Amino acid sequence: DGGITQSPKYLFRKEGQNVTLSCEQNLNHDAMYWYRQDPGQGLRLIYYSQIVNDFQKGDIAEGYSVSREKKESFPLTVTSAQKNPTAFYLCASRLNRLSYEQYFGPGTRLTVT
Amino acid sequence: GENVEQHPSTLSVQEGDSAVIKCTYSDSASNYFPWYKQELGKRPQLIIDIRSNVGEKKDQRIAVTLNKTAKHFSLHITETQPEDSAVYFCAASRNFGNEKLTFGTGTRLTIIP
Repeated sequence: DGGITQSPKYLFRKEGQNVTLSCEQNLNHDAMYWYRQDPGQGLRLIYYSQIVNDFQKGDIAEGYSVSREKKESFPLTVTSAQKNPTAFYLCASRLNRLSYEQYFGPGTRLTVT
Repeated sequence: GENVEQHPSTLSVQEGDSAVIKCTYSDSASNYFPWYKQELGKRPQLIIDIRSNVGEKKDQRIAVTLNKTAKHFSLHITETQPEDSAVYFCAASRNFGNEKLTFGTGTRLTIIP
């Protein structure tokens, strides 16, 4: 394990507050991804970034925002516009366009009440 | 966009028996199909993948088969062991993984000792 980290492991917020989830990697990977995992729904892509200062929406981007100012960091902000923010969030990275494997972080469980 | 369906959602097999998990995809342009394993409380990890120019790939007790015409692919685990108990996710992508992965909803495999 190691190489890609997410913090914190558990996060609690009140409804109406924005919250930022951290994802850092020291693998020198070009691409980074954010997924949301809900029971029975698999992993759904929120945003991804192939290079620094560039990112694309995934399948469920509404209510989320990201930035990629540094190669090693890809923070995800869950805004108050996200209707069902309580979920397990996974960050992943991939070396470059010639490699296939995505390496996942340990995840952050966000609970919004 | 791509849609990946995965069956069954749960599977229980006796230790030593074989397990088969099946996925279908909708986008005929998809050409990369990985399988990820997520043990309880851990991050997903790639266990095997296949590209569309290959019909079958094997790695020790696990194998993946691909039928491009029918647009389905399957994971086969032989001689199952307790450590095979986990949730397995299939996925599909265009451009050999350089575009976003679309995941199936997962199969919870339980090996009965």
